[in-house]
Amino acid sequence: KNQVEQSPQSLIILEGKNCTLQCNYTVSPFSNLRWYKQDTGRGPVSLTIMTFSENTKSNGRYTATLDADTKQSSLHITASQLSDSASYICVVSAINAGGTSYGKLTFGQGTILTVHP
Amino acid sequence: EAGVAQSPRYKIIEKRQSVAFWCNPISGHATLYWYQQILGQGPKLLIQFQNNGVVDDSQLPKDRFSAERLKGVDSTLKIQPAKLEDSAVYLCASSLILGWGISTDTQYFGPGTRLTVL
Repeated sequence: KNQVEQSPQSLIILEGKNCTLQCNYTVSPFSNLRWYKQDTGRGPVSLTIMTFSENTKSNGRYTATLDADTKQSSLHITASQLSDSASYICVVSAINAGGTSYGKLTFGQGTILTVHP
Repeated sequence: EAGVAQSPRYKIIEKRQSVAFWCNPISGHATLYWYQQILGQGPKLLIQFQNNGVVDDSQLPKDRFSAERLKGVDSTLKIQPAKLEDSAVYLCASSLILGWGISTDTQYFGPGTRLTVL
């Protein structure tokens, strides 16, 4: 069964500090992995997308890493800001064997990040 | 570029009542998704359309949920009758199709409709 597990479930940090969120997956056959940011009351917004050949990808203060061998990914946030307070969701895409869809997504449960001043 | 539009934003109904949600995807996006997101969980795919055809509805509770995308553009999701456990945020997303196999496509999500069933 395809699964995506994220840790920690929640995290509280002070403004300006760095943090790292973890994602482990068992999705196969692997297509790509995305990190989404979901602000309260809003839909998720994509931060990064990585295929199996990419080890790291950055988007401003967000840096995602991928180890396709161990099936782990991390999202590192540098110099956190109050606006980083949100849920961060790891989403892994599998190639659909039926061929009629470009991929089937498995969502993690999310990590709730709270940044305090 | 306009994003994915959803309405209503909030809905409160009593159990056993019916409810419908509407979604207008980003113009030109062939694929449309409906997700159910229960508080504290990640989104769960209910149904995926490609144009006006259903690609995946394996997790749609078909005894009470239905969805359509008749003209391949906007879509409606209906619940009839609603149960207490249907309380959730219903997210609509859309995406372009790059082709079968490897894809780095991104889903664009609407703001969601928060449903409360009393």
